Amino acid sequence: AAGVIQSPRHLIKEKRETATLKCYPIPRHDTVYWYQQGPGQDPQFLISFYEKMQSDKGSIPDRFSAQQFSDYHSELNMSSLELGDSALYFCASSWGDTQYFGPGTRLTVL
Amino acid sequence: AQKITQTQPGMFVQEKEAVTLDCTYDTSDPSYGLFWYKQPSSGEMIFLIYQGSYDQQNATEGRYSLNFQKARKSANLVISASQLGDSAMYFCAMREGDAGGTSYGKLTFGQGTILTVHP
Repeated sequence: AAGVIQSPRHLIKEKRETATLKCYPIPRHDTVYWYQQGPGQDPQFLISFYEKMQSDKGSIPDRFSAQQFSDYHSELNMSSLELGDSALYFCASSWGDTQYFGPGTRLTVL
Repeated sequence: AQKITQTQPGMFVQEKEAVTLDCTYDTSDPSYGLFWYKQPSSGEMIFLIYQGSYDQQNATEGRYSLNFQKARKSANLVISASQLGDSAMYFCAMREGDAGGTSYGKLTFGQGTILTVHP
């Protein structure tokens, strides 16, 4: 069965640089979620999109933005990166209640 | 206040035995969903089992079952016949209400429990 695809899987950036994370949801899933998991922490909700419209927003810094495109893929754009942004970023998708997670993008900010 | 509480930072179990991972939740929303995810050391988040607040029966998925006690607000995960591959971090999560329309809301996670299965 098709799963959520995230790219890149690993990303290394310098402070103050920008990063773009991509997510391709499971076909026919109508909702995409982004989560951030810091080292040794539980995942924290950032933002979600339902049918390409933003549906909910969590503790997402103003330096971050996201959108969902006509083909349902989503991108998380992160600017002015800080050391504290180093984390595992998950995209999840759902059709119904259960969210299926992608493998994550591990971002390291040096 | 914590919405999801997992009080066991770590648990140990012998291979082939059963183990229960505890989860309590706090919500005033009548409509919610409870989930368990497994996160191996490789990092991916694997969905295990789901229980809706209106479900009358406890959910089961193969070796996983969810002991749902609504009055006590607990949703414990039971893993039967533990295997070495079950060693991982386990997260309990809750979805409250929905985000409008037919979209379901975000998940709030507990702190996780690290399960170690001994041979």
